[in-house]
Amino acid sequence: GDKVKQSPSALSLQEGTNSALRCNFSIAATTVQWFLQNPRGSLINLFYLVPGTKENGRLKSAFDSKESYSTLHIRDAQLEDSGTYFCAANNAGAKLTFGGGTRLTVRP
Amino acid sequence: EAAVTQSPRNKVAVTGGKVTLSCNQTNNHNNMYWYRQDTGHGLRLIHYSYGAGSTEKGDIPDGYKASRPSQENFSLILELATPSQTSVYFCASGDGLSLEQYFGPGTRLTVL
Repeated sequence: GDKVKQSPSALSLQEGTNSALRCNFSIAATTVQWFLQNPRGSLINLFYLVPGTKENGRLKSAFDSKESYSTLHIRDAQLEDSGTYFCAANNAGAKLTFGGGTRLTVRP
Repeated sequence: EAAVTQSPRNKVAVTGGKVTLSCNQTNNHNNMYWYRQDTGHGLRLIHYSYGAGSTEKGDIPDGYKASRPSQENFSLILELATPSQTSVYFCASGDGLSLEQYFGPGTRLTVL
């Protein structure tokens, strides 16, 4: 089965609304990264997390290593938030294991 | 200044030909990585390196070789390209302590 499972796989939001994306891990994740792949294909670093929470503007992320999940909250969604969000977990050594992504569309 | 660059950005190759994808990083990171991304999949790790002279197999290494001649450069080599290797390839560099990774812009490879 998937070692890093993201949900939902796709999401459509009205501009100005809020939402949450989730990653569940079947591996013992020690750190988590969240990326946004924009429509041009570039991977943008959003968060690097050890267990705990971080906030950056309208984005907030949490990582609970004991319960094996991470969340990404988007507040007041904007059109430029559209793209595919990936989480990736490190559980040993230097390797990251990626989830399948959540494709987000923000509608005007 | 882009810290991880890849060349070429687009490549069309013929089946059976040799392809070399290049990556350069100015982050002074010890670790470097090659991934491929296909529709319906997240990124999958092909090869990675802990430093100059080192290469390690990732999760899908078959059909690929890697070379790390210096701290800054990491190449992915397809000795005999096949159509199944048509994909978008991403290079990344990573901090050796935190293991946080930073990605290049990607190379779109089409094997005909």
